[in-house]
Amino acid sequence: AQSVAQPEDQVNVAEGNPLTVKCTYSVSGNPYLFWYVQYPNRGLQFLLKYITGDNLVKGSYGFEAEFNKSQTSFHLKKPSALVSDSALYFCAVSPPGYGQNFVFGPGTRLSVLP
Amino acid sequence: DTAVSQTPKYLVTQMGNDKSIKCEQNLGHDTMYWYKQDSKKFLKIMFSYNNKELIINETVPNRFSPKSPDKAHLNLHINSLELGDSAVYFCASSPGNSNQPQHFGDGTRLSIL
Repeated sequence: AQSVAQPEDQVNVAEGNPLTVKCTYSVSGNPYLFWYVQYPNRGLQFLLKYITGDNLVKGSYGFEAEFNKSQTSFHLKKPSALVSDSALYFCAVSPPGYGQNFVFGPGTRLSVLP
Repeated sequence: DTAVSQTPKYLVTQMGNDKSIKCEQNLGHDTMYWYKQDSKKFLKIMFSYNNKELIINETVPNRFSPKSPDKAHLNLHINSLELGDSAVYFCASSPGNSNQPQHFGDGTRLSIL
């Protein structure tokens, strides 16, 4: 069965410091990997994805993520956190193919403290 | 222009009632989804339609019935509402290829009294 884990319910970081939000997955084959962000009372917004190629992918708002196949991880990072980055972050995986089901992780709440 | 729009944004109703939530996307996508987000923020897929055909139907009570009149619309009808149905329901759409992200609406917050 496919699963996505985000081992931290909450991540706190000071503004200006680097941040990491962790994601590991268990999916057969070579899945596609995604990060989404959810602000209060809003839907999920796409940040970035890994399909193939370079293990470091860059996305919106200065976020990037590092794919590690051997560790089946896809950690979200940002070199310098902003207070406005405070939100709920979801990792998701999708097996290759058409019409496949996305599996979302449980979410990690990021709080950036001024 | 809103890409994925849901109505209503809030829905407060009593147990036992029947209600519908509407969703429309103007992105030209082939695939649409309904998700349920519970109070702990877990997100679970309920249904997926591709070109008006049901392709994913997770373990959801029969009281929930999706309807897709065309590929730009996916509505969700819920019969005999129960307290446990209280949640935020999100509609999403995608081109259908699994390497493409899904686009989400802003959700419908359903509260059962």
